[in-house]
Amino acid sequence: SQTIHQWPATLVQPVGSPLSLECTVEGTSNPNLYWYRQAAGRGLQLLFYSVGIGQISSEVPQNLSASRPQDRQFILSSKKLLLSDSGFYLCAWSVQGENNEKLFFGSGTQLSVL
Amino acid sequence: AQTVTQSQPEMSVQEAETVTLSCTYDTSESNYYLFWYKQPPSRQMILVIRQEAYKQQNATENRFSVNFQKAAKSFSLKISDSQLGDTAMYFCAFMKLNTGNQFYFGTGTSLTVIP
Repeated sequence: SQTIHQWPATLVQPVGSPLSLECTVEGTSNPNLYWYRQAAGRGLQLLFYSVGIGQISSEVPQNLSASRPQDRQFILSSKKLLLSDSGFYLCAWSVQGENNEKLFFGSGTQLSVL
Repeated sequence: AQTVTQSQPEMSVQEAETVTLSCTYDTSESNYYLFWYKQPPSRQMILVIRQEAYKQQNATENRFSVNFQKAAKSFSLKISDSQLGDTAMYFCAFMKLNTGNQFYFGTGTSLTVIP
């Protein structure tokens, strides 16, 4: 069965520090991968999605970047965190073309930038 | 751009009663998928129900059903026989069918089931 791992669960970082959040998927090949951010009391904002290794699409301009060095690995990064980067970050995956399109989520990372 | 609107930030329902959560969306696409996701206090996102736009028949999953009105771009969720475990944030989502299958979410409705 397919599983998605996301870590860490909680992170507290000072303003100006770097960020690296990692997500890996098991049990499937060539998934579409996604990073979402959920600000306090708000909906999910799509930040990045990827259809393959090295292929990253950004939905909104921001202080963050994403990379996909391996088929089932998706990384969210920042060189210098801002206060506004605080939020709940969710990694997700889907499989295209099987008439079973749906989004599966990781357990999330609560990021607090102080 | 696709937008998803949930106009009810908070709702409550008595246990065993029925409640309907509203969702509207805006798109120029003709084929797409719609979803309702549930986020309980654990914050784990759980798929509740899925609707394919080319199917006129409304999807149902046990106590959960949808009212899909394609012309009106409306996709409401009905929860029957509400249970305490249904207390959660509910998100409506739109999936654009293309390379990458982008999923767009509404701002959510916080549902409280009252004992």
